[in-house]
Parts: sequence; C-alpha cells; structure tokens
Amino acid sequence: DTAVSQTPKYLVTQMGNDKSIKCEQNLGHDTMYWYKQDSKKFLKIMFSYNNKELIINETVPNRFSPKSPDKAHLNLHINSLELGDSAVYFCASSRTGEKLFFGSGTQLSVL
Amino acid sequence: QQQVKQSPQSLIVQKGGISIINCAYENTAFDYFPWYQQFPGKGPALLIAIRPDVSEKKEGRFTISFNKSAKQFSLHIMDSQPGDSATYFCAAHRGNGNQFYFGTGTSLTVIP
Repeated sequence: DTAVSQTPKYLVTQMGNDKSIKCEQNLGHDTMYWYKQDSKKFLKIMFSYNNKELIINETVPNRFSPKSPDKAHLNLHINSLELGDSAVYFCASSRTGEKLFFGSGTQLSVL
Repeated sequence: QQQVKQSPQSLIVQKGGISIINCAYENTAFDYFPWYQQFPGKGPALLIAIRPDVSEKKEGRFTISFNKSAKQFSLHIMDSQPGDSATYFCAAHRGNGNQFYFGTGTSLTVIP
C-alpha cells in the first residue's frame, strides 16, 4: 500500500479554472503538508495541517486553500488558476518530530 | 527568506569519487536535519538524518557531518555511483508546528 497517495498525477487545465488535488496518508501521521516544486526544483512549503491547526505560508496566494475532512486527508483547492501556478505539487505527512514522507507528486500545467 | 542555504547548485563527480553537499542554517530552534534524495518524476525520499547532539552519522556510503557551533551540516557520498545521480535536498525541522524547511537542492551527476 502506498503510504502517501495523491491524485491526479497529471492535471492540465485552462487559465481561470478551479481545480483540486487530493491527498491521503495511511501512516497514522498527525501532520500533513502541501509543498510546491517549481521548475528550478525549489521545494516551498505551502501549508501544514496538524490536529486542526493550519499553518499557512504567508506568500501563498489566497486562491489556494487546503481542506482536511479528517486526519488522513488533506486536499488542495486552487481557484482561478494562473500560468504561474504550473508546478509539481507534493503532499507529505509526518508524525511530530519524525521523518517526512512524500507522495509522488501532481504535475499541474496551466495553459 | 531561505531558512536553509544549500550549495553547490549542481555537482558532477566521476564514478568512485566523493560527492560533498553543504548546508547552513541560522535558526537554533531546529532540532532535526534530514537529507532527501529525489529522482526525476518521483517524490523526495529520506536518505539519512541527524539530530544536533551528534556530530556525525554514517549509513553505508552516506555520511552526515554536523557542526552545531558553525550551524552547518554536509552530506558526503563515498564511492559515488551513476545510480546516485539525483537531486539532493537538505532540510531542517522545527518542533514548533512540526515544520520542515528545505534547501534549494543540488543536482548530482555521477559520470561512469
């Protein structure tokens, strides 16, 4: 079983559309994250969600919003997509103070 | 601002050589320093990690050297192999909020 799974793997969409990426972890971890990796491979934290506490990177546009229906899921909703949103988005999870597990990524292409 | 600074951006090493990647941080609240390896099309995967009460950790061909006073740590890959060609990220963990901060990555190419 995949520890951190995210869907879809590829997402191609037009500017202005709204899209969602889903993430699930089966590790019993208490914190989940969304990272953005740009074309230069920089890994930038977007959000973390720990026991209903949401920590937001202040540089993330408010068009991005995380939604956590339960501890095992953290979905990413993106409104009014822009060209600059094209990147690979990684979901990750960890138990507090322990190693971070990443999903396999979602390649988002905004046309 | 970049919480963890990593260098070099890219590295080319001959097979059998030693690859060295360096990282530096400022925040003394960091309590855990992992290294991640990423192959194209895959998510980063934990390679090796160290806590600040230890100066060195070795796992197979991979060694972390940690200098707490200088706030620096480095990854050494001994006997580098073509299969080691990947992007490597250092990271630092802050217990408050369980946050991980990543360096900018090093693209390693090992030439046969």
